[in-house]
Amino acid sequence: DTGVSQNPRHKITKRGQNVTFRCDPISEHNRLYWYRQTLGQGPEFLTYFQNEAQLEKSRLLSDRFSAERPKGSFSTLEIQRTEQGDSAMYLCASSLNLYRANTGELFFGEGSRLTVL
Amino acid sequence: GNSVTQMEGPVTLSEEAFLTINCTYTATGYPSLFWYVQYPGEGLQLLLKATKADDKGSNKGFEATYRKETTSFHLEKGSVQVSDSAVYFCALRRFGNEKLTFGTGTRLTIIP
Repeated sequence: DTGVSQNPRHKITKRGQNVTFRCDPISEHNRLYWYRQTLGQGPEFLTYFQNEAQLEKSRLLSDRFSAERPKGSFSTLEIQRTEQGDSAMYLCASSLNLYRANTGELFFGEGSRLTVL
Repeated sequence: GNSVTQMEGPVTLSEEAFLTINCTYTATGYPSLFWYVQYPGEGLQLLLKATKADDKGSNKGFEATYRKETTSFHLEKGSVQVSDSAVYFCALRRFGNEKLTFGTGTRLTIIP
């Protein structure tokens, strides 16, 4: 399977703990995105990378959140000092460069569900 | 700011019924418009898209036409199947901007 892979699929943690999610994009894709989806809502943009460079961050990404993409391959999203309001599905997506491929299509993983008790 | 308003669900239809899921948008400039679908247990996947006014996107029997005058991108299918049961998301992206803005999603259930 060469789709976008996310791990872990489900994480249950206590308030105040740190959690880290990993995303492995489709191998030839140079752009990688993180979105958050809460129950009954559509996905909300958090941040995106082109190769290893983080080019945009949403205001939703508080200073407790940090995302990295070392070497421009996989990415990690870390949430420090988790709060109950962080409970959500964290989605990763990848794509080819917009201007090169001009498809605008994102390929999403199945998501990592976070439950903060 | 940019926003997408979708028809609220859930929507339940009988097999072979006609489907419409309404989507309207607010955006500056001329965004690209998308429908994404999420089947049970799977990630979101692109269903169809349109990049300029009057374009019609189509895929798997679904269609949507980019209507600039009504700022709409309604999803239609003439005869739905049980396998179409999923959550459908309308989304937009402004030209040159990487961020997709999604609607809240519409859950569709097709009964045999």
